[in-house]
Amino acid sequence: LAKTTQPISMDSYEGQEVNITCSHNNIATNDYITWYQQFPSQGPRFIIQGYKTKVTNEVASLFIPADRKSSTLSLPRVSLSDTAVYYCLVGDGGSGGSYIPTFGRGTSLIVHP
Amino acid sequence: GAVVSQHPSWVICKSGTSVKIECRSLDFQATTMFWYRQFPKQSLMLMATSNEGSKATYEQGVEKDKFLINHASLTLSTLTVTSAHPEDSSFYICSASPGSNGEKLFFGSGTQLSVL
Repeated sequence: LAKTTQPISMDSYEGQEVNITCSHNNIATNDYITWYQQFPSQGPRFIIQGYKTKVTNEVASLFIPADRKSSTLSLPRVSLSDTAVYYCLVGDGGSGGSYIPTFGRGTSLIVHP
Repeated sequence: GAVVSQHPSWVICKSGTSVKIECRSLDFQATTMFWYRQFPKQSLMLMATSNEGSKATYEQGVEKDKFLINHASLTLSTLTVTSAHPEDSSFYICSASPGSNGEKLFFGSGTQLSVL
């Protein structure tokens, strides 16, 4: 079971770039890395997913080093509305296995004016 | 993206009654759905994995007779909290994936249950 470790909280200011790193030392060969965002009293929302190197979409970038034992979610030019909890999940299934999505503690990001 | 609909958004009930929460995948079929509960300022705790056409798989410590899960079709899973008590008050969230291995999950909006 791949366990993830993230900072509990981070603070930033509007317009800054925010990087949140997640450690997953026991990641399996077939596992993907997925990040979710959650606002209070809402279900989490998919942000980005990757397997290796770099992935970019309209809201974030995901950097994954060659050993895949960590990943960094990068949020460019954050705004107040990016204040939320961010979770990284690592796929728990191998080929033909069942995926059991287990959440770690997540990172509470607070963006200040 | 894929849409998962969860109802109701909130429910208040008396102690001892049962409450049913529905989770529907609106534009994809999901052979597997997941149910979580979340307490204030805590992470999501996986309760069970709901499998279409078969029994749910419950996580350790979750009472299967109290939290009844039915996954009768490829687009609908229900969670029934039986004989609810105040300690069952929590935020319940379902999720599903259109993928075969479930790497990318889509979540319902959650159900806030308050048991008086």
